[in-house]
Amino acid sequence: EDQVTQSPEALRLQEGESSSLNCSYTVSGLRGLFWYRQDPGKGPEFLFTLYSAGEEKEKERLKATLTKKESFLHITAPKPEDSATYLCAVQARGGADGLTFGKGTHLIIQP
Amino acid sequence: DGGITQSPKYLFRKEGQNVTLSCEQNLNHDAMYWYRQDPGQGLRLIYYSQIVNDFQKGDIAEGYSVSREKKESFPLTVTSAQKNPTAFYLCASTGNNEQFFGPGTRLTVL
Repeated sequence: EDQVTQSPEALRLQEGESSSLNCSYTVSGLRGLFWYRQDPGKGPEFLFTLYSAGEEKEKERLKATLTKKESFLHITAPKPEDSATYLCAVQARGGADGLTFGKGTHLIIQP
Repeated sequence: DGGITQSPKYLFRKEGQNVTLSCEQNLNHDAMYWYRQDPGQGLRLIYYSQIVNDFQKGDIAEGYSVSREKKESFPLTVTSAQKNPTAFYLCASTGNNEQFFGPGTRLTVL
């Protein structure tokens, strides 16, 4: 059974204080690992897809990395508008097309 | 604008009633999905469809039904058999290996 565990559950940072969110996964053959941002009461917003260990992708203050067992979402010099819940999900090869999600990390950036 | 629309945004249902949630996409995607989100839990897959007139059960399909008569539309019916239907429902579609989500429908059972 595919599993995704995100840590920490919640994280409070000061504006400008860089940090990383963790996503550990077990999957029977990884087809892709996905990162999303979700604001309260809204649908998840796609951020990145990573396909193989060693891959990295960047978007503004966010950088996602992937190993064979986990992924990190690095946030550099965050701003209050980066406050959101960040979701990690995996898609397995050969299985259902749907994603298996973690419970998310609730990130708060204080000015 | 290309995207996924869901309606209504908020829905209230009395116990014992069936309700249908709408999901429409104009992204020309073949695959569409329904997820349920509960507080403190990850999104869970209800049903998915990879092509018109075909769909498969996800992890928590009991008490739900779907249809896929058109490529653009994938409505979800929450039946009276669903014991705990109060949740946030999200529709998604996949293109170029990216899964995009709609804005969601919040269903509350009174």
